[in-house]
Amino acid sequence: EAGVTQFPSHSVIEKGQTVTLRCDPISGHDNLYWYRRVMGKEIKFLLHFVKESKQDESGMPNNRFLAERTGGTYSTLKVQPAELEDSGVYFCASGLTEQETQYFGPGTRLLVL
Amino acid sequence: AQKVTQAQTEISVVEKEDVTLDCVYETRDTTYYLFWYKQPPSGELVFLIRRNSFDEQNEISGRYSWNFQKSTSSFNFTITASQVVDSAVYFCALRWDSNYQLIWGAGTKLIIKP
Repeated sequence: EAGVTQFPSHSVIEKGQTVTLRCDPISGHDNLYWYRRVMGKEIKFLLHFVKESKQDESGMPNNRFLAERTGGTYSTLKVQPAELEDSGVYFCASGLTEQETQYFGPGTRLLVL
Repeated sequence: AQKVTQAQTEISVVEKEDVTLDCVYETRDTTYYLFWYKQPPSGELVFLIRRNSFDEQNEISGRYSWNFQKSTSSFNFTITASQVVDSAVYFCALRWDSNYQLIWGAGTKLIIKP
């Protein structure tokens, strides 16, 4: 069974540009989560989808971040416009149900210059 | 407040030594879940174990063991006879029953020297 996949693995962009991160969850997992770890800080929750609906987006830092999960399959996280402080590793996780363990992808390393 | 503390930033031991990674948590909830994840140099977060607050039995899986003590709010992880492949960053995390986001500790970088 394929695990959670994320694309791209790395992204280097300039301040003010737009970047879109993609996450493909484990097949059949209705629950999808985004987290990020900025340099020197703990991993922080961003948001949680159940199928295509946003269940909890309390961790989204500001309106420059937009997450979507059309059709309840893969999800995208767009940062527009990117700022220097957005640099970090963005992790995606999926789970069969909300109560179940979250399984993580390899992360996308974003560097904003 | 919900909080996870991993006080050990980095631990370095020689191969075959036993090593314990500490995790202390804070929560007001009576129902909660504790997790350990491993992040090898390749970067992905690998799930190791999940424990719910009603199950205080210690868990052993090969060279790995976990000691959950509610009295001290700790969920420590021990690697017996460590190997170089155990080198990684290890994260402890907490989730409470009514919320599905994980609260993470800062991680402990474990270096196993040959």
